[in-house]
Amino acid sequence: EAGVTQFPSHSVIEKGQTVTLRCDPISGHDNLYWYRRVMGKEIKFLLHFVKESKQDESGMPNNRFLAERTGGTYSTLKVQPAELEDSGVYFCASSRSGTVFYEQYFGPGTRLTVT
Amino acid sequence: KNEVEQSPQNLTAQEGEFITINCSYSVGISALHWLQQHPGGGIVSLFMLSSGKKKHGRLIATINIQEKHSSLHITASHPRDSAVYICAVAEPYSSASKIIFGSGTRLSIRP
Repeated sequence: EAGVTQFPSHSVIEKGQTVTLRCDPISGHDNLYWYRRVMGKEIKFLLHFVKESKQDESGMPNNRFLAERTGGTYSTLKVQPAELEDSGVYFCASSRSGTVFYEQYFGPGTRLTVT
Repeated sequence: KNEVEQSPQNLTAQEGEFITINCSYSVGISALHWLQQHPGGGIVSLFMLSSGKKKHGRLIATINIQEKHSSLHITASHPRDSAVYICAVAEPYSSASKIIFGSGTRLSIRP
């Protein structure tokens, strides 16, 4: 089966611009997660979708971040307007219903650079 | 101070050397997870441990629940093992928001 895919692989934008990251989970996976790793820091949870519903968005840093998962398939994470501290690698992961953390499949990540 | 600490942060070794990466945590857990992130690539799950020891190929992971410590060993290291190794801890059925990740150990194996 195809793995989790993310697009773009790398994005360089200027402060104040908008960027939209996309994640395509493994087909049939109801759970979709977004994580972020800022340079030199540990990975942090951002939010969790179950199908199209936001199950937990406690990790979203502020209202400049908007995540959607229309139709319960792919998800987008929009940053508007981007700030320098938003630079990092954004990972997406997916898993089947009823699975636990270690059964998540991670995508390759999108490296976001805000200049 | 992060509740999950990894050491060393960076490790460079020659091909063939035995590698040990450590992970210590301060929270109560039921499971620890080792992940691997290759340069420019995504994250791959290596092991989930709740006790004892697991082995997969040249990789061995151990955990001591009482001491709140886990180690990841690589025998006969190879340049393709070069990656960032991350440990993460959580209750097995806790939500993703409760997962705590270490900052990672960057391993570089020279041919």
